[in-house]
Amino acid sequence: AQSVSQHNHHVILSEAASLELGCNYSYGGTVNLFWYVQYPGQHLQLLLKYFSGDPLVKGIKGFEAEFIKSKFSFNLRKPSVQWSDTAEYFCAVKGFQGGKLIFGQGTELSVKP
Amino acid sequence: DTGVSQDPRHKITKRGQNVTFRCDPISEHNRLYWYRQTLGQGPEFLTYFQNEAQLEKSRLLSDRFSAERPKGSFSTLEIQRTEQGDSAMYLCASSLGQGSLPGTQYFGPGTRLTVL
Repeated sequence: AQSVSQHNHHVILSEAASLELGCNYSYGGTVNLFWYVQYPGQHLQLLLKYFSGDPLVKGIKGFEAEFIKSKFSFNLRKPSVQWSDTAEYFCAVKGFQGGKLIFGQGTELSVKP
Repeated sequence: DTGVSQDPRHKITKRGQNVTFRCDPISEHNRLYWYRQTLGQGPEFLTYFQNEAQLEKSRLLSDRFSAERPKGSFSTLEIQRTEQGDSAMYLCASSLGQGSLPGTQYFGPGTRLTVL
């Protein structure tokens, strides 16, 4: 069955620390990969996506993610977090021709000022 | 605001009652999706439409759930005979699918359902 696993349920960092959130997926085929973010009181927003090509993708607000096909991973990174990055982060996978997104359980990031 | 909108934002109902939620997608988007999210979990897929055709339904969508998109624009999700386990955030998303590419999904604010 298709699934997405996010390694950390809750991450606490100080401002300026580096961030890496793990995401592994299980899917037998070509995939599209996404990271969505949900800031407190707001709806889900797209952070970045991978469809094809360069496995290192850059998103909004200085975030990037690397698709490693051999490891079925799509980890999210940011070199220096800010207090405003406090949010819940969701990794999602979609089969190439399918419509539905399969989400991980989410990682709550708390950044201390 | 030209994003995805959902109505109502909150709904409190008693067990056994029927509820209906509405989703208005981004105007040019031909695909519309429904998801359900419970506390501490990621969204779970329920169903999606391309124009007015319902193309996929999750096994999570029991017989008490029905979704429509009658004219390929807005969609409704109805839950009949609600149960306490239906309490969740119901999310709608839309995308512009072109050919075999479904497009990026953009989410609405959700409808939070509480079943007493």
